[in-house]
Amino acid sequence: AQKVTQAQTEISVVEKEDVTLDCVYETRDTTYYLFWYKQPPSGELVFLIRRNSFDEQNEISGRYSWNFQKSTSSFNFTITASQVVDSAVYFCALNPYGGATNKLIFGTGTLLAVQP
Amino acid sequence: ETGVTQSPTHLIKTRGQQVTLRCSSQSGHNTVSWYQQALGQGPQFIFQYYREEENGRGNFPPRFSGLQFPNYSSELNVNALELDDSALYLCASSLGISEQFFGPGTRLTVL
Repeated sequence: AQKVTQAQTEISVVEKEDVTLDCVYETRDTTYYLFWYKQPPSGELVFLIRRNSFDEQNEISGRYSWNFQKSTSSFNFTITASQVVDSAVYFCALNPYGGATNKLIFGTGTLLAVQP
Repeated sequence: ETGVTQSPTHLIKTRGQQVTLRCSSQSGHNTVSWYQQALGQGPQFIFQYYREEENGRGNFPPRFSGLQFPNYSSELNVNALELDDSALYLCASSLGISEQFFGPGTRLTVL
């Protein structure tokens, strides 16, 4: 089965706090891709990162960082020093089947609310 | 560079009607995917078009159909609308199999 689980439905933090969004995935494919997208209230999904299954290096981009661990099938996303503009729904997604198509399997999303 | 655009922004239909949603892909992209996002849920893959051919389909009935044109723009058609078809419909474009860039979506309400 191909599945993405985001167990945290809603998270509320105060500005400048660090926050980690959890993502656990299931797939039997050896080649796959993992993604994070941000969906602000406007509705448009904003691409944040793509990571392939053979690259377990952690990645940092400004205040964002991602931790990919194949051993636990997790691809967690951390925002350092959160800001009000980070408030959105964040989706983790899996592209299985060796990337033969662009089919993305999304989790149910985590609503992040950053309070000033 | 123009991003992904979708029209219309909002649409209200009644049960049994048919609807056509449109998507213009980002410049240079040849692949378009369509997703349905119900309220409070993650997007669900409907199908993908690559060079005018359907190339992958999710678990949606045949009354969901599509087209891709030579300029890589695309249409999503839904026949015999049902109440459960009410959702945000998202179009995403890419260059082959790569990062997908999403449009703002069309909010469809079926009464």
